[in-house]
Amino acid sequence: DTEVTQTPKHLVMGMTNKKSLKCEQHMGHRAMYWYKQKAKKPPELMFVYSYEKLSINESVPSRFSPECPNSSLLNLHLHALQPEDSALYLCASSQGAGAYVEQFFGPGTRLTVL
Amino acid sequence: QKEVEQNSGPLSVPEGAIASLNCTYSDRGSQSFFWYRQYSGKSPELIMSIYSNGDKEDGRFTAQLNKASQYVSLLIRDSQPSDSATYLCAVRQSVAGGTSYGKLTFGQGTILTVHP
Repeated sequence: DTEVTQTPKHLVMGMTNKKSLKCEQHMGHRAMYWYKQKAKKPPELMFVYSYEKLSINESVPSRFSPECPNSSLLNLHLHALQPEDSALYLCASSQGAGAYVEQFFGPGTRLTVL
Repeated sequence: QKEVEQNSGPLSVPEGAIASLNCTYSDRGSQSFFWYRQYSGKSPELIMSIYSNGDKEDGRFTAQLNKASQYVSLLIRDSQPSDSATYLCAVRQSVAGGTSYGKLTFGQGTILTVHP
């Protein structure tokens, strides 16, 4: 079962709000990822967690704060976002963070910042 | 210079034809290559992975890899209207201990339209 779930599907928030995006996988994968995708652009990597530790932060602004409570869950905490942060936020997972592993995406959360 | 480049498209083919999607990459250390399909408003779906030079076939899809030429392609045989989507080429750099370890880099995507 190659399923990654994400909640919520849609989120509208103001620039002063605090919200969280959630991602869950039950495939026993040990690497999880957050990507951001703007319209008509490819996904851009934000963060990588490997064995529940943050291994890559692609110079993402501090208003985005990732958290990996356990090997199945990944959160992205949002605070003081800007309208330009509106995008599709994708979670993905893979067996590990090595070369020869396949990465599977969740359905995404469509975020709108007003 | 872009790290992963795809043929610019959009690409339009008639139903039943072969669609050919191309991708080149700049990092010679890249070790694994993936093709994703993304329908409008949906998330990317993995359709093929390839790690060794040569061809890999899965149903109507064939991925081809030539590491010497830094080139990877996807052929879709007997194209169907349901194949109409954006196809993303992704390359996994693997520099153990480096900051890019495990990073997946995507091309800009090629929009494919299969018309009846």
